[in-house]
Amino acid sequence: EPEVTQTPSHQVTQMGQEVILRCVPISNHLYFYWYRQILGQKVEFLVSFYNNEISEKSEIFDDQFSVERPDGSNFTLKIRSTKLEDSAMYFCASSASGEKLFFGSGTQLSVL
Amino acid sequence: GNSVTQMEGPVTLSEEAFLTINCTYTATGYPSLFWYVQYPGEGLQLLLKATKADDKGSNKGFEATYRKETTSFHLEKGSVQVSDSAVYFCAHTTGTSYGKLTFGQGTILTVHP
Repeated sequence: EPEVTQTPSHQVTQMGQEVILRCVPISNHLYFYWYRQILGQKVEFLVSFYNNEISEKSEIFDDQFSVERPDGSNFTLKIRSTKLEDSAMYFCASSASGEKLFFGSGTQLSVL
Repeated sequence: GNSVTQMEGPVTLSEEAFLTINCTYTATGYPSLFWYVQYPGEGLQLLLKATKADDKGSNKGFEATYRKETTSFHLEKGSVQVSDSAVYFCAHTTGTSYGKLTFGQGTILTVHP
């Protein structure tokens, strides 16, 4: 069964550093998403991406965040200058039609 | 505003017990409602959904009915198995795309033999 793949599974970085979280969506999907879950809190929507542009983003997704689909297969989330409060599990998801989402198993980001 | 509230967990049951996980929501407009499940080491998977009032979503023996009058979407299963041990998330979306989900806090379910 096709699945969404996220790498790395765990990323440790120093505050102020840039990080790139990588995702390989299911190959025929057109809609892509990033969510995050801070420890002990709810899973939160960050951004949706369709037709090579952001279709919707949350208040969390400020200028420090960006997304890119650089090569037609990968979907990346970049945080330019990480803060302690960016520590969270980040989930990528994709969908063929925007209805049923398929999630990856997540990248645990730890900012020290 | 939009929010989803799930019953406090964790929930621990014996095999073949009856399961209920409560979920209530607030939303503007007419939300679609979902239950997602996350097994250990895996991503969230859609378990079931309902898109309008009185619809019943069902899958793998789990059921949930969209109750507009009580703004609820409680998850039930008549007889749980050890393999049902997972984290269960209630969610809704009110946008034109299903992709922007608002999640509850998740409920950890552990089923013992």
